[in-house]
Amino acid sequence: KNEVEQSPQNLTAQEGEFITINCSYSVGISALHWLQQHPGGGIVSLFMLSSGKKKHGRLIATINIQEKHSSLHITASHPRDSAVYICAVLFMNYGGSQGNLIFGKGTKLSVKP
Amino acid sequence: EPEVTQTPSHQVTQMGQEVILRCVPISNHLYFYWYRQILGQKVEFLVSFYNNEISEKSEIFDDQFSVERPDGSNFTLKIRSTKLEDSAMYFCASSATSSYNEQFFGPGTRLTVL
Repeated sequence: KNEVEQSPQNLTAQEGEFITINCSYSVGISALHWLQQHPGGGIVSLFMLSSGKKKHGRLIATINIQEKHSSLHITASHPRDSAVYICAVLFMNYGGSQGNLIFGKGTKLSVKP
Repeated sequence: EPEVTQTPSHQVTQMGQEVILRCVPISNHLYFYWYRQILGQKVEFLVSFYNNEISEKSEIFDDQFSVERPDGSNFTLKIRSTKLEDSAMYFCASSATSSYNEQFFGPGTRLTVL
């Protein structure tokens, strides 16, 4: 069964702390997305990656294909980073169709000033 | 910067009524998606659409649901006879060429079925 697990479920940090959110998945994937969901509900795409590492500002995403694991790091966290961070995976589909995203349950991050 | 838009932002309807949720994808994108998120639960895939036909659909997307691209810009999700359990946030997304590309999400429509 294609599953996506995130940890931790909830995370509280002090402003300035380095944050890591983890995502693991069950079988081979084509791509992995990290998304940010704001308190109002809107979803923003942060990264899409299939190998290696990507960096955008204070955000870094890494993926280890062999270990079926990805991490999202936030450096110098700030209260405005408070949101739900969601890992979504496009599993490899050998049936010829494209497949569709399977979402994790999300990690709720709260950064205190 | 181009963005996906959705209307309405909040829809309240009576059980059994038909609703149409509207989305305007990013203009040069070719793949369109609908997702839903029941309150407190994870986001779930409903359907993907390409070249004027459904590309993939989930088990959730039963005969009560349909999608349409009625013109060159809108992408709609219709729920024929709403049930209480259809209450959720519905997100539209689009990607440039396939689900292997980054998807851009709209702000969502909150559907409340009474």
